[in-house]
Amino acid sequence: EPEVTQTPSHQVTQMGQEVILRCVPISNHLYFYWYRQILGQKVEFLVSFYNNEISEKSEIFDDQFSVERPDGSNFTLKIRSTKLEDSAMYFCASSEGYEQYFGPGTRLTVT
Amino acid sequence: TQLLEQSPQFLSIQEGENLTVYCNSSSVFSSLQWYRQEPGEGPVLLVTVVTGGEVKKLKRLTFQFGDARKDSSLHITAAQPGDTGLYLCAGGGAGGTSYGKLTFGQGTILTVHP
Repeated sequence: EPEVTQTPSHQVTQMGQEVILRCVPISNHLYFYWYRQILGQKVEFLVSFYNNEISEKSEIFDDQFSVERPDGSNFTLKIRSTKLEDSAMYFCASSEGYEQYFGPGTRLTVT
Repeated sequence: TQLLEQSPQFLSIQEGENLTVYCNSSSVFSSLQWYRQEPGEGPVLLVTVVTGGEVKKLKRLTFQFGDARKDSSLHITAAQPGDTGLYLCAGGGAGGTSYGKLTFGQGTILTVHP
């Protein structure tokens, strides 16, 4: 069964460093998303991406964040200068309609 | 800002009991999805409902979307220890858009004791 994959599963970085989180969405899906979940809190929407451009972004998704679909299969989230408060699980999701399928997540720890 | 209030936050029951989890909002959603999430893993989709009043069944799980598409419920019949986990509701397409971001509830942690 097709699934969303994410790498790495765990990333530890120092404050101020850049990180890139990678996702491979389900192959025939057209809509791509990033969400994050701070420990013990709700899953929060960051950004949606369709037709090679951002279709919607939340207040969390400021200038420090960017997304890219560099080729036909990968979808990346870049955080330019990480802060302690960026520590969270980051989930990629994809859909071809209403149903969004989530990847296993990347646990980002900023020290 | 769209909010989804999920209740109860915690539910601890004995095997064989029935339970219902509720998800309520003041916003209208185009779809309502229910997920189950294990610790340290991504949410796994259980069901999507899109029509007001829609009822879907998945074995012992029954999902309902409110007539006004502002609320939903998950009912589990004869709960088993394997049902233990975190259940999340998520509304999509608020504000009239068909697809788009999901707004998540805070989740219900279900524990089923043998």
